[in-house]
Amino acid sequence: GESVGLHLPTLSVQEGDNSIINCAYSNSASDYFIWYKQESGKGPQFIIDIRSNMDKRQGQRVTVLLNKTVKHLSLQIAATQPGDSAVYFCAETLLSGTYKYIFGTGTRLKVLA
Amino acid sequence: DARVTQTPRHKVTEMGQEVTMRCQPILGHNTVFWYRQTMMQGLELLAYFRNRAPLDDSGMPKDRFSAEMPDATLATLKIQPSEPRDSAVYFCASGLVVTSGETQYFGPGTRLLVL
Repeated sequence: GESVGLHLPTLSVQEGDNSIINCAYSNSASDYFIWYKQESGKGPQFIIDIRSNMDKRQGQRVTVLLNKTVKHLSLQIAATQPGDSAVYFCAETLLSGTYKYIFGTGTRLKVLA
Repeated sequence: DARVTQTPRHKVTEMGQEVTMRCQPILGHNTVFWYRQTMMQGLELLAYFRNRAPLDDSGMPKDRFSAEMPDATLATLKIQPSEPRDSAVYFCASGLVVTSGETQYFGPGTRLLVL
């Protein structure tokens, strides 16, 4: 699809295994973060968000971890399924600012049957 | 199930022609964003509006691009004249700004090819 980056990092995971997708964000002042999933030919879809006053947030089969010390976000997907195959983006913003989002370059997740 | 809609979904045009892309944000959302996505540049913010007022269009080539919100249910992005380098997928996203945070919801995109 029209996802990003000829040199997009790719993570290949066996179906049923857990996936961990990492993101280094750019602004130490950012206080709100979102993970998006983009399937081929579609727009980015919201997965989960986290505010900077939290270190961890869990959703259905997904967990986001935030390490502000090293400006690092991770998305963990439990029991990865073929439908999880997509490009995953992190995005950051400053809630007290202009709400402009900075998007990461994305990671392609391939689920192997 | 509320969602952002965009028209057209696909557009093929010739260099020099005007292109207009339309977006209907989710009802009740007060912020609208226009993004461009290419293989080389990734997802770039072109412009965004809050309560229909333009807040930032610094990412947009001013000489050929324009973005407007004639009313709360319609946002437009125009390119005049279009050039082959404008070929990309253009996404509209809408959100509701609240003090506790804001999530953007993306439309399906307009795939533009300028020949």
